[in-house]
Amino acid sequence: RKEVEQDPGPFNVPEGATVAFNCTYSNSASQSFFWYRQDCRKEPKLLMSVYSSGNEDGRFTAQLNRASQYISLLIRDSKLSDSATYLCVVTDKLIFGTGTRLQVFP
Amino acid sequence: DTGVSQDPRHKITKRGQNVTFRCDPISEHNRLYWYRQTLGQGPEFLTYFQNEAQLEKSRLLSDRFSAERPKGSFSTLEIQRTEQGDSAMYLCASSLGRVPFTDTQYFGPGTRLTVL
Repeated sequence: RKEVEQDPGPFNVPEGATVAFNCTYSNSASQSFFWYRQDCRKEPKLLMSVYSSGNEDGRFTAQLNRASQYISLLIRDSKLSDSATYLCVVTDKLIFGTGTRLQVFP
Repeated sequence: DTGVSQDPRHKITKRGQNVTFRCDPISEHNRLYWYRQTLGQGPEFLTYFQNEAQLEKSRLLSDRFSAERPKGSFSTLEIQRTEQGDSAMYLCASSLGRVPFTDTQYFGPGTRLTVL
């Protein structure tokens, strides 16, 4: 089993849809998690950190489920500009997932 | 621009040649990381520095790879005797480093290496 796993997608959703991605991690001692967004042939850009209590930033919500060892990212009211690859990272292990590709269509 | 910068942005080389990449982190950041990314994969950790000290190296970092951060500011990554399998995007990131491994990493634009 990979240490950090993501469904590569692509997730094809219409504008306005709500979409959710999960990222599972294998090391129960992992402490720190982030979501990054990466556009094609560009560097990863920080989207949001993931706190135990969950956190929300506008249309984006990140949550951590320690019991089941996964983090999630929820995007509400999808925009065309949300089309990108979403990478999760277990920062204290310096391990990124392979990314989930999202394509939002009109 | 006060972000992470990398130079060159693109490098094409022939197999067997040596290449060197440079990364300039955000000025107040103590930690500097090197990653490699290939198509369809997430960034793979190579090595990181706390100031000038290289604290961890991945097993991905073969003997042909060497990284330095001599004054705790910019860093260089050298690949000797390049192979076609070295073709990838090489990403540099930096972070404040005040709380180990939990602070945010900011990435540079990467150096895309093509080995012919």
